[in-house]
Amino acid sequence: AQTVTQSQPEMSVQEAETVTLSCTYDTSESDYYLFWYKQPPSRQMILVIRQEAYKQQNATENRFSVNFQKAAKSFSLKISDSQLGDAAMYFCAFKTGANNLFFGTGTRLTVIP
Amino acid sequence: GAVVSQHPSRVICKSGTSVKIECRSLDFQATTMFWYRQFPKQSLMLMATSNEGSKATYEQGVEKDKFLINHASLTLSTLTVTSAHPEDSSFYICSARPAGGPKDTQYFGPGTRLTVL
Repeated sequence: AQTVTQSQPEMSVQEAETVTLSCTYDTSESDYYLFWYKQPPSRQMILVIRQEAYKQQNATENRFSVNFQKAAKSFSLKISDSQLGDAAMYFCAFKTGANNLFFGTGTRLTVIP
Repeated sequence: GAVVSQHPSRVICKSGTSVKIECRSLDFQATTMFWYRQFPKQSLMLMATSNEGSKATYEQGVEKDKFLINHASLTLSTLTVTSAHPEDSSFYICSARPAGGPKDTQYFGPGTRLTVL
């Protein structure tokens, strides 16, 4: 069975600082995709970043980057130069082959001005 | 591009009535759409996968007779909550996978908040 664990229900960061959100997963598959989604107060799910498991290089999207440790089954999200608009729920998600997205329980990020 | 809409955004209904929620892909065709349910302060739970022109595939524990899904066209899927009860109150989110697109790509709608009195 696949599981996605986000051990930090809530995190806070000072504006302009850096924060890392943790995610671990468990699977017996070797080929899969990992995602971080953002859900702001509007509730609209927004894809932040994605990583293919076969790629060793960590994905980066502007201020967002991941630390993908395949052996440890860890997929953390680093947000640099945090902005007020980054405040949201962040969900780590996992997908194998034809299977569907499986979400973690989420981390609520507060950005302190 | 890649916009998914949901209608209505909010709905309040009386217990025992049925409610239909629409999910539309506005600028792309979607052979597959997904319906999720999100309780307050919880994660998204997949309810069913809807494929255009065929029956939906429901996740374990989801009552197919209660949550009717129809994917009649490549741009529209509907979720009908039949004989709604207060415990059905939740946030319902759909997503759509573009036809011919990579299987890891889904675009999410803005969600529908259902309140059953």
